[in-house]
Amino acid sequence: AQKVTQAQTEISVVEKEDVTLDCVYETRDTTYYLFWYKQPPSGELVFLIRRNSFDEQNEISGRYSWNFQKSTSSFNFTITASQVVDSAVYFCALSESGGTSYGKLTFGQGTILTVHP
Amino acid sequence: DVKVTQSSRYLVKRTGEKVFLECVQDMDHENMFWYRQDPGLGLRLIYFSYDVKMKEKGDIPEGYSVSREKKERFSLILESASTNQTSMYLCASSQQKPNTEAFFGQGTRLTVV
Repeated sequence: AQKVTQAQTEISVVEKEDVTLDCVYETRDTTYYLFWYKQPPSGELVFLIRRNSFDEQNEISGRYSWNFQKSTSSFNFTITASQVVDSAVYFCALSESGGTSYGKLTFGQGTILTVHP
Repeated sequence: DVKVTQSSRYLVKRTGEKVFLECVQDMDHENMFWYRQDPGLGLRLIYFSYDVKMKEKGDIPEGYSVSREKKERFSLILESASTNQTSMYLCASSQQKPNTEAFFGQGTRLTVV
């Protein structure tokens, strides 16, 4: 069975600080996909980033960056120079591969990020 | 703009009522999903459908059923609502291909009294 763990329940930072959200996953699949979603107060989950299991290259996209390490089964997400609008619940998720299961997600518990002015 | 639309943002129902939560997507996606979100538990999959009239149980299907008569519409049914089904319900859809993200609706906050 797949499992995703976000050990940080809540994080509070001051604007312009960098913040890293941790994610650890478990899967027996050799091919899998990892995602980060943001849930603002409006409630709708918004897709942020994805990474597949055979590409460990870490990337930066604007203020977002991610660190994927298969050896430690971790997929951490960093927001650089945080802003008040980044305040939200952030979810890490793992997708199965194969057949009809694409897009079927196992979620972590979520991390509540509060950015103070 | 692609969309997943859930019929209600807020619902209040009485214990024992039959409840229908409706979800429509306009992206011609094969897969559709119903998740339940509770504090500290994240999102948990109730049911998903990979084609019209086809469904699979997720992690917490007890007390729920689903219906998918048309590709764009996926309904979640609570046959006899109970107070422990008070929760946020999120519908999602995705393509049936690798490395694809799921798109989510705005959620329905259901309160069973």
